[in-house]
Amino acid sequence: QITLKESGPTLVKPTQTLTLTCTISGFSLSTDGVGVAWIRQPPGKALEWLAVIYWNDDKRYGPSLKSRLTISKDTSKNQVVLTMTNMDPVDTGTYYCALDSPVDDFWGQGTLVTVSS
Amino acid sequence: DIQMTQSPSSLSASVGDRVTITCRASQGIRNDLDWYQQKPGKAPKRLIYAASSLQSGVPSRFSGSGSGTEFTLTISSLQPEDFATYYCLQHDIYRWTFGQGTKVEIK
Repeated sequence: QITLKESGPTLVKPTQTLTLTCTISGFSLSTDGVGVAWIRQPPGKALEWLAVIYWNDDKRYGPSLKSRLTISKDTSKNQVVLTMTNMDPVDTGTYYCALDSPVDDFWGQGTLVTVSS
Repeated sequence: DIQMTQSPSSLSASVGDRVTITCRASQGIRNDLDWYQQKPGKAPKRLIYAASSLQSGVPSRFSGSGSGTEFTLTISSLQPEDFATYYCLQHDIYRWTFGQGTKVEIK
């Protein structure tokens, strides 16, 4: 059974760096073709893709936040980590990780991050 | 970067209605388009992948069509559990873009 679970702080202060971890079970990050993406959703607003990392360490970022994001993976722990620098209240929202698969559909439950002083 | 224009942003419909939602891509994306349903407080759920393939376990009243720049999600007979927000997602060349969403409400 494939599961993804996001973890990280629920509250960060403006200008701080956010670090989120996606812990995956049921498949290996080193499997050919596997990718894991991060998506966020401000309260009441649309989904926004942030970044994706693939089994071969290829990384892609969304254009609007590219300068603030870093995505990485730890294959030994089967985790994907997203860091976002210089957090602002407009970055408040639910952050999801999801499997990038042509056929399967697996998402984490999401984690709510609030940016406030 | 590829932009996705989704319409309408919201619609009101009755149970049993046929509903159509459209996404237009700013450039051709072949069939690299999925459709998602999201209910409040829940993660999105994929309904359609590769423009027209029904995700396993999704009712057959959902269908997708299109290729290139214009895509459509159709719900043939709206059911009470279908009231939700729907998003298209393009994933051409390892970059993703979501549409702005369509909220389907009860008339």
